[in-house]
Amino acid sequence: NAGVTQTPKFRVLKTGQSMTLLCAQDMNHEYMYWYRQDPGMGLRLIHYSVGEGTTAKGEVPDGYNVSRLKKQNFLLGLESAAPSQTSVYFCASSYPESGAFFGQGTRLTVV
Amino acid sequence: AQSVTQPDIHITVSEGASLELRCNYSYGATPYLFWYVQSPGQGLQLLLKYFSGDTLVQGIKGFEAEFKRSQSSFNLRKPSVHWSDAAEYFCAEQYSSASKIIFGSGTRLSIRP
Repeated sequence: NAGVTQTPKFRVLKTGQSMTLLCAQDMNHEYMYWYRQDPGMGLRLIHYSVGEGTTAKGEVPDGYNVSRLKKQNFLLGLESAAPSQTSVYFCASSYPESGAFFGQGTRLTVV
Repeated sequence: AQSVTQPDIHITVSEGASLELRCNYSYGATPYLFWYVQSPGQGLQLLLKYFSGDTLVQGIKGFEAEFKRSQSSFNLRKPSVHWSDAAEYFCAEQYSSASKIIFGSGTRLSIRP
């Protein structure tokens, strides 16, 4: 049982480049989330989805876009990467009252 | 706005001593509350959760937490810590089962031999 899988695990981007982070879950969860983790700031919610085809903004959505075309996948896009987006990104999924199940994270560096 | 406060950035306790990590939430009369642990370089693991009922909840690894509505708190406790408990601990809140999950800024726990 894979749980929540994030791809890629590491990435270095140049300023202005674009990329997509993929999150896949095999637990048939309705809800999916993207967080970023920065030292001393905990996890901040970027975007989330409460079902296939729906997305909503979290605490820090600027500079990111998301799509949930299939229930099991939640994509996070950076259209024009900036150094301020250097972070560790975590995807999570949940069902009602379960709490979130997390992936192992993607370490992104923007130079 | 929904927020979770963990007032202690870093705590050091001696091995075998008791532990209490503080958490205050700001939203909802009966929120869903969680504690997670993160070891270095790892993802987050759920320790315990509270939705309703008994205000003292038991979790994995010998942890427990108590929900106190009057204080808007959900503090994490362990009677006797082990060196392997050194990690970062996050409190989180969800104000309804279909809403977003918001995290606190975390408390880093160090264990003194």
